[in-house]
Amino acid sequence: DIQMTQSPSSLSASVGDRVTISCRASQTVGTYLNWYQQKPGKAPMLLIYAASGLQSGVPSRFSGSGSGTDFTLTISSLQPEDFATYFCQRTSSTPFTFGPGTTVDIK
Amino acid sequence: QVQLVQSGSELRKPGASVKVSCKASGYTFMSYAMNWVRQAPGQGLEWMGWINPNTGNPTYAQGFTGRFVFSLDTSVDTAYLQISGLKAEDTAVYYCARSPLVRGVIVDWGQGTLVTVSS
Repeated sequence: DIQMTQSPSSLSASVGDRVTISCRASQTVGTYLNWYQQKPGKAPMLLIYAASGLQSGVPSRFSGSGSGTDFTLTISSLQPEDFATYFCQRTSSTPFTFGPGTTVDIK
Repeated sequence: QVQLVQSGSELRKPGASVKVSCKASGYTFMSYAMNWVRQAPGQGLEWMGWINPNTGNPTYAQGFTGRFVFSLDTSVDTAYLQISGLKAEDTAVYYCARSPLVRGVIVDWGQGTLVTVSS
């Protein structure tokens, strides 16, 4: 199976910072890569689909890029409500594996 | 609006079984697959598999075969996850989540059901 890794596993940032999170696949997944945000005690929420598509209702400060094996989620200006854990997920073929997650907390 | 409403928390002893339900509303049930995702306490997300409501055909991820069964009742737009032979390591929040039939991207999630396995 294709393995997913994320880096960093956690980061501390301040409101207004630009934040980038990386996701890497052990084999190419094309652009079948999605990003989710999860806040404590809540279900995840879709942010980005197909590597760079912004889900309806998601603020434009979130963006995704990449293809093949290397992907990036960028938050252009971190807001207080963005402190959360972010997961990537590949959906190129089953199993639709999630990355281990990146926790963004307050500096 | 789309809603996936799951059944409430469950406490079971090791070796017992549990059945979690997921009632869908606000969309055409047959047009989306239902995924199941596990999250152990303090851990990440594990994709367990999914089921196609048109065929009733489930796909299970490695590690979720044998004791885990996905099923549907399309007459009431409800999906089910049954786990038998429960072990302490099955303690987790289980989410149902819908995705388009031809793509696995999860567009909506249930609120999660906590299953606790303890003697």
